[in-house]
Amino acid sequence: NAGVTQTPKFQVLKTGQSMTLQCAQDMNHEYMSWYRQDPGMGLRLIHYSVGAGITDQGEVPNGYNVSRSTTEDFPLRLLSAAPSQTSVYFCASSYEGGSNTGELFFGEGSRLTVL
Amino acid sequence: DQQVKQNSPSLSVQEGRISILNCDYTNSMFDYFLWYKKYPAEGPTFLISISSIKDKNEDGRFTVFLNKSAKHLSLHIVPSQPGDSAVYFCAASSLYNFNKFYFGSGTKLNVKP
Repeated sequence: NAGVTQTPKFQVLKTGQSMTLQCAQDMNHEYMSWYRQDPGMGLRLIHYSVGAGITDQGEVPNGYNVSRSTTEDFPLRLLSAAPSQTSVYFCASSYEGGSNTGELFFGEGSRLTVL
Repeated sequence: DQQVKQNSPSLSVQEGRISILNCDYTNSMFDYFLWYKKYPAEGPTFLISISSIKDKNEDGRFTVFLNKSAKHLSLHIVPSQPGDSAVYFCAASSLYNFNKFYFGSGTKLNVKP
């Protein structure tokens, strides 16, 4: 059981370039989300999805796009990378119900550097 | 402005002693709280949670206490073990929208052998 898989693990971009961070989960979870982790800031929610075809903004959505065409996949797109987007990005999934409602299952992270 | 705050960036304790990690929140709409543990180069993993209808939840060596009037929660680890050395994040959400979690900045725990 792979859980939440993120690719790539590392990426270096130049300012203005675009790229997509991939996220896939094999747990049939309805909910998926993207967080960024910055020093002294903890994890901040970028975008989230409550199911295929439904997405919404989190705390820091500017500069990022998402879509959810399938239950399994939730890619994060940077349309024009900026140095302020240098961060570690985590994808997470969760499901309603169970003993720990809303418990997030995280991927291993993608470290992005924008020069 | 951060709605969830962990004011201690680091904590060092001796193996076998108690570790107490603290977390404060400002949003009175939060009614569900979780603690996550993170090792370097890995994603955070769930540790323990508590809803606002309780003031304590225990799971083995880990206990979370919630003081709603003070908007404060704490994680107690007894006894602390060297394998507990990690960064601990607290997170909060509302059960009406539990997909929107707000995280603290984390506390790095070092348990010395």
